[in-house]
Amino acid sequence: AQRVTQPEKLLSVFKGAPVELKCNYSYSGSPELFWYVQYSRQRLQLLLRHISRESIKGFTADLNKGETSFHLKKPFAQEEDSAMYYCAPLRGSTLGRLYFGRGTQLTVWP
Amino acid sequence: DSGVTQTPKHLITATGQRVTLRCSPRSGDLSVYWYQQSLDQGLQFLIQYYNGEERAKGNILERFSAQQFPDLHSELNLSSLELGDSALYFCASSVGRQGNEKLFFGSGTQLSVL
Repeated sequence: AQRVTQPEKLLSVFKGAPVELKCNYSYSGSPELFWYVQYSRQRLQLLLRHISRESIKGFTADLNKGETSFHLKKPFAQEEDSAMYYCAPLRGSTLGRLYFGRGTQLTVWP
Repeated sequence: DSGVTQTPKHLITATGQRVTLRCSPRSGDLSVYWYQQSLDQGLQFLIQYYNGEERAKGNILERFSAQQFPDLHSELNLSSLELGDSALYFCASSVGRQGNEKLFFGSGTQLSVL
């Protein structure tokens, strides 16, 4: 079974500091990769899609096929970035089944 | 507002009961996905429907079933409810059926089984 690992359940940084949310997936090939975000009391929404480079709020993510990772990065965190972040890799054989990692709760302190 | 509507927002029921959760997708979206979010399991994919037909199945229990109607709204039926079924149930929709398009999520139905 495919696995998505987000090793950090909680992550705290200060405003203005760089932030990296880790995501590793366990299968080879070229999955399509997504990051979704859930702000407090709001709906889940797409943050970033690797294939289209669609991104919002200054976040980027680099696919590292060798390490099978798709870490989410932002050079200068803002307080409004505090949210739950979910990594979701989609493999061709599982089209239709978008599986999410368990999520990382990011808190950005002022 | 994503355009995806879920009702009810909250549901409180007792063990052994049956409930129905409803989802209306965004206008023009043919796919509906159901997810269960709990503290210990995270966000679990349950099932996907595309244009009225089951397209993909995830970790959905046999006590649970879903369907998508001709007007494309979907219902998730949960029966013989157990305490462990308490969770936030999300519905999402997308235009296509591959799951690699942008998903638009509803605000969820919070189910509490007492």
